[in-house]
Amino acid sequence: EDKVVQSPLSLVVHEGDTVTLNCSYEVTNFRSLLWYKQEKKAPTFLFMLTSSGIEKKSGRLSSILDKKELFSILNITATQTGDSAVYLCAVGETSGSRLTFGEGTQLTVNP
Amino acid sequence: GAVVSQHPSWVICKSGTSVKIECRSLDFQATTMFWYRQFPKQSLMLMATSNEGSKATYEQGVEKDKFLINHASLTLSTLTVTSAHPEDSSFYICSARWASRADTQYFGPGTRLTVL
Repeated sequence: EDKVVQSPLSLVVHEGDTVTLNCSYEVTNFRSLLWYKQEKKAPTFLFMLTSSGIEKKSGRLSSILDKKELFSILNITATQTGDSAVYLCAVGETSGSRLTFGEGTQLTVNP
Repeated sequence: GAVVSQHPSWVICKSGTSVKIECRSLDFQATTMFWYRQFPKQSLMLMATSNEGSKATYEQGVEKDKFLINHASLTLSTLTVTSAHPEDSSFYICSARWASRADTQYFGPGTRLTVL
């Protein structure tokens, strides 16, 4: 059975801290890994990663994929209270269009 | 670009009634749409995959006669919760896949369903 595991499940930091969120996966036919941010409503897309070792960056957020070790990390530098959210990792397979989601990491950034 | 809308954003209904939720891709054509439900403090659980013009594919454990899905056009999919019960109360989220952007799914804002 396909599995996506995120860690930690919950994280509390102070503004200005740097955080690293982890996502490991076991899927049969990996195609892509996606990161989403979910605040009060539905998830918003952050990154899609398909190749190992190539960092994707957007402002203070960056992510990288390791297809050999089957994991990805999401880094957030100089965190702000607006970064508080659940961060979801999802994996797509070559065999179809569905995504398998992890449980998410609840990030709380305190002022 | 890649905006997905959902309507209604919240609904309260009596037990035994049916509720229809619409999902629209506003600025792109979505050959595939997905329906998820999410309970508090839990991740997204895929209910079904909907392809335009064909029958939806339901995940194991999801009753297709209870959760009716119609994907009538490349921009619209509907989920009808039939004979709703309190245990159907949940946050229902749709997403749409833009074929030219591979696996990326764009999510609607969700519908909060409360069944009394």
